[in-house]
Amino acid sequence: SQQGEEDPQALSIQEGENATMNCSYKTSINNLQWYRQNSGRGLVHLILIRSNEREKHSGRLRVTLDTSKKSSSLLITASRAADTASYFCATDANDYKLSFGAGTTVTVRA
Amino acid sequence: NAGVTQTPKFQVLKTGQSMTLQCAQDMNHNSMYWYRQDPGMGLRLIYYSASEGTTDKGEVPNGYNVSRLNKREFSLRLESAAPSQTSVYFCASGPYNSPLHFGNGTRLTVT
Repeated sequence: SQQGEEDPQALSIQEGENATMNCSYKTSINNLQWYRQNSGRGLVHLILIRSNEREKHSGRLRVTLDTSKKSSSLLITASRAADTASYFCATDANDYKLSFGAGTTVTVRA
Repeated sequence: NAGVTQTPKFQVLKTGQSMTLQCAQDMNHNSMYWYRQDPGMGLRLIYYSASEGTTDKGEVPNGYNVSRLNKREFSLRLESAAPSQTSVYFCASGPYNSPLHFGNGTRLTVT
């Protein structure tokens, strides 16, 4: 069964606004990763956060990890039309099997 | 730099037909993976190969076989296709405990 679950399933925001999505998982992890998928394409890696880290930044992206609550969040600041995509969290339990959630579909309106 | 290359991009099969999905990576990664993606289900792991010469089952291996031909290539075979195997198939590669690199997928329809 899938390890991660994203919330919300879908999100629609105005250009310039921030977008926040959450991921919950069930078992202990070695790291948690976020990916983006544009329509009709493969997934592209965004950020990896290890279990001993609490926050990580990459450009307009901010990821937090709370291992006590088994949850993570991805914040996209100052969203752009190009951020329209599906976003997936994936958990690595140190067993080669990266497990993906069902994703959050983000639509950025001009 | 091609990354992960999957062929074909699209395929239509009749129930009972067989086919092989090809995947090749040029990044010298040890680990390679096959996932399927269905609407609302995210990605589910079919098979993976931690290193050349080894393959292991993932979450949904039934109806599939794999071959790790060499370090670069990892193929997925459907011996007798079923409508339930209609999906988008993604190949990925990566070092252990590191981000994966994905191909652009094979869209398979089984009628």
